[in-house]
Amino acid sequence: AQRVTQPEKLLSVFKGAPVELKCNYSYSGSPELFWYVQYSRQRLQLLLRHISRESIKGFTADLNKGETSFHLKKPFAQEEDSAMYYCAPGGRFRDDKIIFGKGTRLHILP
Amino acid sequence: AAGVIQSPRHLIKEKRETATLKCYPIPRHDTVYWYQQGPGQDPQFLISFYEKMQSDKGSIPDRFSAQQFSDYHSELNMSSLELGDSALYFCASSQGLSGQSGSYEQYFGPGTRLTVT
Repeated sequence: AQRVTQPEKLLSVFKGAPVELKCNYSYSGSPELFWYVQYSRQRLQLLLRHISRESIKGFTADLNKGETSFHLKKPFAQEEDSAMYYCAPGGRFRDDKIIFGKGTRLHILP
Repeated sequence: AAGVIQSPRHLIKEKRETATLKCYPIPRHDTVYWYQQGPGQDPQFLISFYEKMQSDKGSIPDRFSAQQFSDYHSELNMSSLELGDSALYFCASSQGLSGQSGSYEQYFGPGTRLTVT
């Protein structure tokens, strides 16, 4: 079964400081992992998917199979990064549902 | 680009009433998912449809039912509403392989905020 754990419920970081949102996974088979973001009063939207190895809004996430982690990182936090972030597995098959973890609320302090 | 459309955006109902939420997927998307997000809670999967057939079922109460129509839009019908049904209901859609990833990326709508009084 695909499962993710986000150990931090709330993370407060000063503007300009580095950000790391933790995500650990347990998997049977090859993981397919995503980070979703939900800004206040906005729709849930895809931020990153591990296989594309892209950087969106300055965020990156590397899949570490040895540590079974997929931490989300940004070197310099911005106030507009304040949001709920969800690490989630899924999407390998056509009708795979997303099993959301508890999410981490990122609060950027001015 | 067109996104997932949900209607209505806000809905207020009284206990024991019924409600119908609608979801219009992105054109050419054939799979629709429904999620429920209670106040301060994380999104929970309710049900999904692929090509008008139910494909998966999560923690959806028996009082709720859903279907996908020939134009791929979906409706979530909720009866005998309870106070605990107050939540944000998200719909997401997906179709085919997403670029190089080979994954079926889900696109989320803005949600319908249901308040039961």
